[in-house]
Amino acid sequence: GEEVAQTPKHLVRGEGQKAKLYCAPIKGHSYVFWYQQVLKNEFKFLISFQNENVFDETGMPKERFSAKCLPNSPCSLEIQATKLEDSAVYFCASSVLAGNEQFFGPGTRLTVL
Amino acid sequence: KNQVEQSPQSLIILEGKNCTLQCNYTVSPFSNLRWYKQDTGRGPVSLTIMTFSENTKSNGRYTATLDADTKQSSLHITASQLSDSASYICVVSLPGGSYIPTFGRGTSLIVHP
Repeated sequence: GEEVAQTPKHLVRGEGQKAKLYCAPIKGHSYVFWYQQVLKNEFKFLISFQNENVFDETGMPKERFSAKCLPNSPCSLEIQATKLEDSAVYFCASSVLAGNEQFFGPGTRLTVL
Repeated sequence: KNQVEQSPQSLIILEGKNCTLQCNYTVSPFSNLRWYKQDTGRGPVSLTIMTFSENTKSNGRYTATLDADTKQSSLHITASQLSDSASYICVVSLPGGSYIPTFGRGTSLIVHP
């Protein structure tokens, strides 16, 4: 597609439940980035992919967070056993090359109760 | 301390007026500096991009300037419109192999009729 698509738009989970977010990058873009934005603060980088391979995962919390980009499927970000502090808007972005402009999706707002 | 600091945190102006948003950064040198506009509930959209050697870039009513000596960038909005109400985010990308941008917290601009 011509835009980065993210689903769902909103996600509400009880503390301890699993959350799974999806991102479809722009067609032809090889790189996918995930960011977390808490309370309209600065974007925190989580992980990036080059096609289906992890490119940089230095921002990923060691526990509970995982992500995948499989061929012919939307990329996904999964949070096991959500905590209150996971409440945030999660943005996905894609780019043609790693250093090129990143195009952002509309985000998924995760609320953990 | 964040490597990219923006001011003011929020700004209210009347339609038709001009305004200037500031971005101070400590990341130097950098690959590029971008200004993004983020409408409520949407992902950021790139307005301007400047490399380390450039000092001004325009996009319609938006003009970004860069002073590498003082490590400051500004975004000037001319003849503001109601649709300019948004968060404006300064983003600096490091040179070399790091493709993880550093985001400022943004300036929230409200344009009143």
